[in-house]
Amino acid sequence: GQQLNQSPQSMFIQEGEDVSMNCTSSSIFNTWLWYKQDPGEGPVLLIALYKAGELTSNGRLTAQFGITRKDSFLNISASIPSDVGIYFCAGQAGGTSYGKLTFGQGTILTVHP
Amino acid sequence: SAVISQKPSRDICQRGTSLTIQCQVDSQVTMMFWYRQQPGQSLTLIATANQGSEATYESGFVIDKFPISRPNLTFSTLTVSNMSPEDSSIYLCSVETNVVEQFFGPGTRLTVL
Repeated sequence: GQQLNQSPQSMFIQEGEDVSMNCTSSSIFNTWLWYKQDPGEGPVLLIALYKAGELTSNGRLTAQFGITRKDSFLNISASIPSDVGIYFCAGQAGGTSYGKLTFGQGTILTVHP
Repeated sequence: SAVISQKPSRDICQRGTSLTIQCQVDSQVTMMFWYRQQPGQSLTLIATANQGSEATYESGFVIDKFPISRPNLTFSTLTVSNMSPEDSSIYLCSVETNVVEQFFGPGTRLTVL
């Protein structure tokens, strides 16, 4: 089945630093989604990407859909303490897999004030 | 987006019993899904809840263990049957809007003793 490799597994940064994380896949996805999960909560959608090469921003967050359709990255600029949480990438293959999301393993982000 | 609620938010159950989790959406949606998130892990799709027909299960998940109902376009239930400690997880429902974006409920935290 499809698998997503997300890296890094965890990051410990100082407030104000930029953060970058990425996901790679062995197969093609039609849609890439990035989520953040806080403790005790469900994942919250941050950014959705629909086309290869697409670069989308949401405030301090920027994500890109890789040109090969097999990867995506998420950048967070000028991190703040409330950025702490687990970030997941998710891909949707389309076709018979329409609607089904495959998730990466998650990146645990810790921000030191 | 969509507002999704789940009941119960958490439960502690005895081995061998069953628990039914409810998912309610504030608007009609075509696609609803159920995911499992084992402790410290990523999300894994259990099944697609189809309105008016049997759910579509992913590899490794069977109807006898995880029966699902979808009586209308705003509501679904997932039952975890004959529970064992290995079923201790967070169970999340999600819905997909018209734009191929999935939104998650807050999750049900299940502990099986």
